[in-house]
Amino acid sequence: EAQVTQNPRYLITVTGKKLTVTCSQNMNHEYMSWYRQDPGLGLRQIYYSMNVEVTDKGDVPEGYKVSRKEKRNFPLILESPSPNQTSLYFCASSLSAGSDTQYFGPGTRLTVL
Amino acid sequence: AQSVTQLDSHVSVSEGTPVLLRCNYSSSYSPSLFWYVQHPNKGLQLLLKYTSAATLVKGINGFEAEFKKSETSFHLTKPSAHMSDAAEYFCVVSAYSGAGSYQLTFGKGTKLSVIP
Repeated sequence: EAQVTQNPRYLITVTGKKLTVTCSQNMNHEYMSWYRQDPGLGLRQIYYSMNVEVTDKGDVPEGYKVSRKEKRNFPLILESPSPNQTSLYFCASSLSAGSDTQYFGPGTRLTVL
Repeated sequence: AQSVTQLDSHVSVSEGTPVLLRCNYSSSYSPSLFWYVQHPNKGLQLLLKYTSAATLVKGINGFEAEFKKSETSFHLTKPSAHMSDAAEYFCVVSAYSGAGSYQLTFGKGTKLSVIP
């Protein structure tokens, strides 16, 4: 089944404790991206990747890192999480950018205490 | 630079009446435009997309949208609302952002309530 998977789905952590949220797709998509969703703000793009080893900042990249060493994986890293990073995070992929449909993962709900 | 404005944060309609969710956009390049739907506690699903072909786009579940370049709008409509349409809807613009990259920008969302 074609899908985007994220792990973990739920995470409660404390300020400053490094964490990684994994994202994997099995559709051979080139374009992958991370979003955070906050009430009243919609989805805001954190980082995106046009292909392996190519990543770019989105609208809200501060406090996040990403890497794209393989086509299928695009992990999101929070080196020193803070409470303002408490949010719902979505990973998405598409065949390429531009006019292609985004396929979204199920979301990761992160709480930073 | 690009932006998306969803003109209503909340729309309430009665079951069986028409739905109109409004979206305006701005973009320096010719954009692709999308509507996605998010049901409570679910991920996002594509409703329809415009990619420079026909300006009237038909999507799933009876939704359609019309691209109007002169008005920079991409409003979503449905002739008759169903209870299952209650969800949050996002208008999205994708456009070239330079150096071979594309960027996606989401509107803030419109929550649709359907009254029985």
